[in-house]
Amino acid sequence: QQQVKQSPQSLIVQKGGISIINCAYENTAFDYFPWYQQFPGKGPALLIAIRPDVSEKKEGRFTISFNKSAKQFSLHIMDSQPGDSATYFCAASLIYGGATNKLIFGTGTLLAVQP
Amino acid sequence: DAGVIQSPRHEVTEMGQEVTLRCKPISGHNSLFWYRQTMMRGLELLIYFNNNVPIDDSGMPEDRFSAKMPNASFSTLKIQPSEPRDSAVYFCASSLRGGDNQPQHFGDGTRLSIL
Repeated sequence: QQQVKQSPQSLIVQKGGISIINCAYENTAFDYFPWYQQFPGKGPALLIAIRPDVSEKKEGRFTISFNKSAKQFSLHIMDSQPGDSATYFCAASLIYGGATNKLIFGTGTLLAVQP
Repeated sequence: DAGVIQSPRHEVTEMGQEVTLRCKPISGHNSLFWYRQTMMRGLELLIYFNNNVPIDDSGMPEDRFSAKMPNASFSTLKIQPSEPRDSAVYFCASSLRGGDNQPQHFGDGTRLSIL
C-alpha cells in the first residue's frame, strides 16, 4: 500500500513533442504528490508538486494531471527539449513522525529527448 | 545559497572497512533525510531526523548501518563493516519541518563502491 508505481521505465521523445509519465498509488492517506528531476551525477530536484484537492497544476512547460478517484497522476512535458533529458521520479508524501513528510518514490523514468 | 553538501563525492574501499559519509544540511532546515539509490531498489529512505533527533530508522538495512546528527549543521552515515552489496549512491536531503509539505532539497550524493 506504500508503493508508488511509475511507468514507463524509459521514454524517447522527439524535440518539440510531449513527454508523458504516469504514476499510480494505493494509499489514500497520501496528501502531496511531487515530481523530482535528476540529472546524471546530481541529486533529485523538486520540479513541480500537486495536492489531491487540485486536478491540474501547470508551471511553464510542465503540467501535473491528478485523478483522485483513479488514484493516478501524471507529468506532461510540453515542447520537450534535449535539456529535459533526465530521470524523473514521481513521489507521494505522508505526514507523520511529527509533521514531517515522508516521501515514497516511484522507480523513475529515464527520458531522452532527441534533437 | 549553499545547498546540501555531501562528502566525499566518491568513495572506493575494500569489504570490511568502515565507511563514513558526511552531510551538511541547508542552514535553517530542521529535518534531515538519508537515502540510498540503486538500480534494483530505486530511492530508499534509510533514516530521518527532526531537530537532530532520529525519528524513523526503519529503512536502515542492518545493524552495520548507523547515523548520527550531533548538531543542526552536520550528520554522518556510517557503515561498519562494509560489504559489496552496500555499493550505491547515498543521498542526504534536508527540509523545513512542518505540516505544509516542505520540499526536500537533495545533495549531489556520495557514490560508494565496496570492492
